[in-house]
Amino acid sequence: GAGVSQSPRYKVAKRGQDVALRCDPISGHVSLFWYQQALGQGPEFLTYFQNEAQLDKSGLPSDRFFAERPEGSVSTLKIQRTQQEDSAVYLCASSLSEARGNQPQHFGDGTRLSIL
Amino acid sequence: AQSVAQPEDQVNVAEGNPLTVKCTYSVSGNPYLFWYVQYPNRGLQFLLKYITGDNLVKGSYGFEAEFNKSQTSFHLKKPSALVSDSALYFCAVRSLNTGGFKTIFGAGTRLFVKA
Repeated sequence: GAGVSQSPRYKVAKRGQDVALRCDPISGHVSLFWYQQALGQGPEFLTYFQNEAQLDKSGLPSDRFFAERPEGSVSTLKIQRTQQEDSAVYLCASSLSEARGNQPQHFGDGTRLSIL
Repeated sequence: AQSVAQPEDQVNVAEGNPLTVKCTYSVSGNPYLFWYVQYPNRGLQFLLKYITGDNLVKGSYGFEAEFNKSQTSFHLKKPSALVSDSALYFCAVRSLNTGGFKTIFGAGTRLFVKA
């Protein structure tokens, strides 16, 4: 079956440009997470959606980062006025339900963002 | 605050030998513990989880992990390593008591299995 799909796989942008990263979760999955993974590090939590509601955005590093999931399926992570420190792999994950907190997350292959 | 420590950046084992990848954690309340594996240029794949019950958890590809509450550890093990097990392994923890919906990941341990 189809897994979590992220696009683009690679994105190169100049400093100051805006970028948009897309995530298509597994169909029917209620929960959606965004993570930032720096080189040689583990994923760092950015934000969490339960259906269309953004319940936790405490990990977003600045107000340049914005995420949405308007219809409770596809999600977009937008970064405005990109900086070099934004260069990382951005991972999206979905899970069937978060109500009990013990469901594993299914990850996409990520978008590798490079800011020049 | 929740945290996860993977004290080894890299673990080297010979094919056929047992392997252990270490993980210790710190949470308030009961932890949910997970192991994930990551291959180059891919996302993380779920291996196994501990929620409650038996301290020895069995997962995918012959991996298992032992939950030790007194030592706050959740080490990943496999009786006989394969070259194809070479990858990056992440331990993760979450608790509904604190930390909201976050899952905290360790920095990862690179496993290298030599033929």
